[in-house]
Amino acid sequence: KQEVTQIPAALSVPEGENLVLNCSFTDSAIYNLQWFRQDPGKGLTSLLLIQSSQREQTSGRLNASLDKSSGRSTLYIAASQPGDSATYLCAVRIAGGGADGLTFGKGTHLIIQP
Amino acid sequence: GAGVSQSPSNKVTEKGKDVELRCDPISGHTALYWYRQSLGQGLEFLIYFQGNSAPDKSGLPSDRFSAERTGGSVSTLTIQRTQQEDSAVYLCASSLVRSRADTQYFGPGTRLTVL
Repeated sequence: KQEVTQIPAALSVPEGENLVLNCSFTDSAIYNLQWFRQDPGKGLTSLLLIQSSQREQTSGRLNASLDKSSGRSTLYIAASQPGDSATYLCAVRIAGGGADGLTFGKGTHLIIQP
Repeated sequence: GAGVSQSPSNKVTEKGKDVELRCDPISGHTALYWYRQSLGQGLEFLIYFQGNSAPDKSGLPSDRFSAERTGGSVSTLTIQRTQQEDSAVYLCASSLVRSRADTQYFGPGTRLTVL
């Protein structure tokens, strides 16, 4: 059974710092990996989607990498801002079989101090 | 354009009662997903629809849970004889096509509290 782990569970840093969030998964047979952001009382917003054949994706100050063979992904946030404060979730879509849902980690709760 | 909408946003019910949760996907999206987010448990996949059919019901936690989708659009998740452990945020997502490469767009969720 696929398991997704995110480290750290919580992180608090001063504004302006660059930071890295980590995600690991136990089964490397995945179609893709997504990073989401969740704000309190709101749904999930997709940030980046990396296909299994890709190594990284970039959007603005965000860069996500994928090392499928080692079962790891990182989300790099450059020049953090207070508006980046949220919970960041990593999710994988497993390959094969009939499962079509995403398997999520429990998230990293990020606070950017002004 | 309009995103995924869910109703109600909050639902408080008594143990043993039935509840219905509604999801309106993005117009034109053929794939629809239900997830549950429990405190300390993270997000769990419940069920997936392609059109009106549900080829994957593997995530439904018990036979008290059922879901349907009509007209390839609105979906309803029904929980019968609710238990306190059913308390969670229920999230719905939709995607344009049945493709594992497709991004899922999430609604704001329904927070269910079972007393």
